[in-house]
Amino acid sequence: QMQLVESGGGLVKPGGSLRLSCAASGLGLSDSHMSWIRQAPGKGLEWLAYISSGSSVIYYADSLKGRFTISRDNGKKSVYLQMNSLRAEDTAVYYCATTTIGALDALYYFDNWGQGALVTVSS
Amino acid sequence: YELTQPTSVSVSPGQTATVTCSGEGLENKYVCWYQQKPGQSPVLVIYEDTRRPSGIPERFSGSNSGNTATLTISGAQTVDEADYYCQAWDSRACVFGTGTKVTVL
Repeated sequence: QMQLVESGGGLVKPGGSLRLSCAASGLGLSDSHMSWIRQAPGKGLEWLAYISSGSSVIYYADSLKGRFTISRDNGKKSVYLQMNSLRAEDTAVYYCATTTIGALDALYYFDNWGQGALVTVSS
Repeated sequence: YELTQPTSVSVSPGQTATVTCSGEGLENKYVCWYQQKPGQSPVLVIYEDTRRPSGIPERFSGSNSGNTATLTISGAQTVDEADYYCQAWDSRACVFGTGTKVTVL
């Protein structure tokens, strides 16, 4: 199974920017749809964004209001999440996950997750 | 779109744990379930309402009827103690349930 490793997390001031990376080991990333999901401390899961294997389809959660951008570089076996105008409420563990489309396109689900990267937004 | 789960469910070892996930018109959508143990990443345990990924024990099963999807853990074990989240896809967006802490003791 493909291993996913997130990096780029850390401490950032409110209003700042950060770019997370998700690197895949082994074969398969270029054929995999990917998503970013986050989890605030002690809270539930929140889906953020989806990108198809060839980058032709991208979806975002409405709550992001254009602050985050998902992208990928299949040659580098990596997926990215550019986060701008960060707020304290963006503090969370950020996961990347492979995304499978099932049930005649009626369900997108996450079948392989990275270990997560912690982002802390604080002054 | 919202998916509502009970905050917590308790079960004795060997008994059956039932976790519900409610949403308007949920029977017309497909649901999956994730297990998350403390300090770990979520793991998919059920997809497309009833299907188990390889490696997931048979004691995990799912159903979806009416406005409620259900995850059932038959013969729950202490290793099943975790948070469980349902998830659906609606209008080009993923929706997670509120999460349920399952305690086996």
